[in-house]
Amino acid sequence: ETGVTQTPRHLVMGMTNKKSLKCEQHLGHNAMYWYKQSAKKPLELMFVYNFKEQTENNSVPSRFSPECPNSSHLFLHLHTLQPEDSALYLCASSVEYAAGGGEQFFGPGTRLTVL
Amino acid sequence: GQQLNQSPQSMFIQEGEDVSMNCTSSSIFNTWLWYKQDPGEGPVLLIALYKAGELTSNGRLTAQFGITRKDSFLNISASIPSDVGIYFCAGNAGNNRKLIWGLGTSLAVNP
Repeated sequence: ETGVTQTPRHLVMGMTNKKSLKCEQHLGHNAMYWYKQSAKKPLELMFVYNFKEQTENNSVPSRFSPECPNSSHLFLHLHTLQPEDSALYLCASSVEYAAGGGEQFFGPGTRLTVL
Repeated sequence: GQQLNQSPQSMFIQEGEDVSMNCTSSSIFNTWLWYKQDPGEGPVLLIALYKAGELTSNGRLTAQFGITRKDSFLNISASIPSDVGIYFCAGNAGNNRKLIWGLGTSLAVNP
């Protein structure tokens, strides 16, 4: 595997379900990101982990819970989601999370549908 | 939250034509990035710019970091059908670590 991989690619879940999204980067990077992409909106940064420490939580509801066990893996645990949470969830990585150092590399995303 | 002004919103062109799109910000940026996103995929980094006035090419793509540091341009020469997709600009302002994103330019190419 190369680059940034995400599983599953598609997920349909009910509002009472619990599921997890997985991201893995094979680039030797130290920063990993979760973004939400919805139609007609710019990419929304959700969480940032830099050297395994959470450095950004962009006022994300607690029904989204990130986990970063090491610099290569990132999870997003989902529970009691709402239909408006349906979106494309993108994982990205970069060398580190630093001022002006913007080159982020994205995975293919998980298309999430909440019924 | 803050976002970049990206234009045009969409373009429909004939194969072989050149394409220009741009991005503007109300604040000074230190970095400009251009990404392309195909349907059902994540954004792919095309070009990164780090210096005012910098002009960088990647094949048929050329991007420039505006002299004012408040804008950037992406040009695609001799478009082909596989250029179809959404092109996003993004950048960092000042000492901010977060990337600010545009809403994208959707490009359609008629063969």
